[in-house]
Amino acid sequence: NAGVTQTPKFRILKIGQSMTLQCTQDMNHNYMYWYRQDPGMGLKLIYYSVGAGITDKGEVPNGYNVSRSTTEDFPLRLELAAPSQTSVYFCASSDWDRSSYNEQFFGPGTRLTVL
Amino acid sequence: AQSVSQHNHHVILSEAASLELGCNYSYGGTVNLFWYVQYPGQHLQLLLKYFSGDPLVKGIKGFEAEFIKSKFSFNLRKPSVQWSDTAEYFCAVRTSGGSYIPTFGRGTSLIVHP
Repeated sequence: NAGVTQTPKFRILKIGQSMTLQCTQDMNHNYMYWYRQDPGMGLKLIYYSVGAGITDKGEVPNGYNVSRSTTEDFPLRLELAAPSQTSVYFCASSDWDRSSYNEQFFGPGTRLTVL
Repeated sequence: AQSVSQHNHHVILSEAASLELGCNYSYGGTVNLFWYVQYPGQHLQLLLKYFSGDPLVKGIKGFEAEFIKSKFSFNLRKPSVQWSDTAEYFCAVRTSGGSYIPTFGRGTSLIVHP
């Protein structure tokens, strides 16, 4: 299994540009997540999904959009890039049932710079 | 809303020193607890987790953590650190109510000098 894969690894955007960060998992997990990591600030949840067709906002959703048309894919869209969106973005997935809870599996991250 | 506090933001140790990183949370109900590690330039990986049962949990690479319910704590320990333990460590808590989405602490940066 490849686990969680993310593309691209690095990207530089100009203010106002748009882009999509791709995330794919091959573990048939129902939960998927997008986080941003800023130095000294830990992980902030942007959006999450509990299954195909279902998404919900996390702690810092403004400026982002997501979709979940399949179990495997959970792309994150930036419509009008702003310098405040310069960060490292991590996608994660996990399985879940009421009797146990498995850990999150993280992708390698996308380092985004907005100039 | 629940919160997770990691009070030590930066820790610097020499090799062979003992390590304890604090993690406290604010939720009073049933919790699942996790410690993740992020080595320089890499993604987060699970160190250990607590779901139920024995409150002393052993993880990979000699790490362990103890869940103390009365103190709302889940501190991470290692008796003797190595240079290769240099990394960022994150505590995460998932509660039994709400959306089942884990909340992460801000992280602790550990530097181990050889």
